[in-house]
Amino acid sequence: NAGVMQNPRHLVRRRGQEARLRCSPMKGHSHVYWYRQLPEEGLKFMVYLQKENIIDESGMPKERFSAEFPKEGPSILRIQQVVRGDSAAYFCASSPSRGSSYNEQFFGPGTRLTVL
Amino acid sequence: DAKTTQPPSMDCAEGRAANLPCNHSTISGNEYVYWYRQIHSQGPQYIIHGLKNNETNEMASLIITEDRKSSTLILPHATLRDTAVYYCIVRVDPGANNLFFGTGTRLTVIP
Repeated sequence: NAGVMQNPRHLVRRRGQEARLRCSPMKGHSHVYWYRQLPEEGLKFMVYLQKENIIDESGMPKERFSAEFPKEGPSILRIQQVVRGDSAAYFCASSPSRGSSYNEQFFGPGTRLTVL
Repeated sequence: DAKTTQPPSMDCAEGRAANLPCNHSTISGNEYVYWYRQIHSQGPQYIIHGLKNNETNEMASLIITEDRKSSTLILPHATLRDTAVYYCIVRVDPGANNLFFGTGTRLTVIP
């Protein structure tokens, strides 16, 4: 069973460009979470989605950031008009909707965004 | 979710047991204690979780005090690959809540 996949692993953007980060959850998982980790800091929750629904976006910046988890395909975290402060590692996690591992979140390898 | 307090760093000799403490004095009755670790910029890895009984799996043991205000993660025979930042998290279960990662404990296993 393949783990959580994220791509790209590294992304370089210039200020003002858009960044699109993709996350494919583990097979059978219908819950997706996005976290951001700034250098030398712990992970900070951004958003929690189920298929076609945003459940909790309390950690998302109010502007420029959006997330979706369509019925088909990966979850997308989109950052418009990136600024240098957006440089960070972005981690995606997934969990199943039921089963013994219901409460575990399985993390992907992350996407490292660098804004020049 | 309740806050946790962990020492910022610890060292452990290779092959010895690593005991990582965590204080969670404001934990509620329905909150579990979870442990994750992050090995050098990789995605966090689930280790173990428990409510009030001690737990053991193939990776570690979790000892929770009777009053549940603190716990200890035990890696019985630390290896160099256990060098990582270890996060103690308390959260309500069941529920697909987000995880609150504090600053964790940076464990360095020394040869």
